[in-house]
Amino acid sequence: SQQGEEDPQALSIQEGENATMNCSYKTSINNLQWYRQNSGRGLVHLILIRSNEREKHSGRLRVTLDTSKKSSSLLITASRAADTASYFCATDIGSTLGRLYFGRGTQLTVWP
Amino acid sequence: ETGVTQSPTHLIKTRGQQVTLRCSSQSGHNTVSWYQQALGQGPQFIFQYYREEENGRGNFPPRFSGLQFPNYSSELNVNALELDDSALYLCASYSRGSGEKLFFGSGTQLSVL
Repeated sequence: SQQGEEDPQALSIQEGENATMNCSYKTSINNLQWYRQNSGRGLVHLILIRSNEREKHSGRLRVTLDTSKKSSSLLITASRAADTASYFCATDIGSTLGRLYFGRGTQLTVWP
Repeated sequence: ETGVTQSPTHLIKTRGQQVTLRCSSQSGHNTVSWYQQALGQGPQFIFQYYREEENGRGNFPPRFSGLQFPNYSSELNVNALELDDSALYLCASYSRGSGEKLFFGSGTQLSVL
């Protein structure tokens, strides 16, 4: 079963707008990561936030983590058409480093 | 773009056949994980190899097997293919020095007819 679940499943916005995607998970985690996937190809790592962190920034990306609610959000500011992709949150649970549990993803479409 | 390469990019097989997918890990990465991604779903962990040994397995039957070679490249073998095995198969490499993030290849799209 999926550990993480993203919401919404699909998001359509205009260039310049902000995009917010949410992720909920079920069990305690060591860290949570966000990945991006273009057109069903390989995933690209965007950002990692550890369980003892609440917020992290990387360029136009802002990630928050609320471990009490078992949820995270990814904010992309000033979106561009090139941001069109699927975005996945991934959590690690157990002792196997490199074993990640992915949600079903949010399909983001940014219209020019 | 990562240094992880997968081959072939596309493959068509028929039910009951066997398939081998290949992955070359990023330079210096000694751990390789395999994921299956069905259409519209997130990647699902199949198994991981570290120093040529299986090091963790997801909820996949024994007909999914793998190998890792001394140069850290890896193979995923699937026997007795079923229609539901149709998916994108992703390889990801990792090392403790890479800070817990995975580096993914572009995947092999397998279609089972």
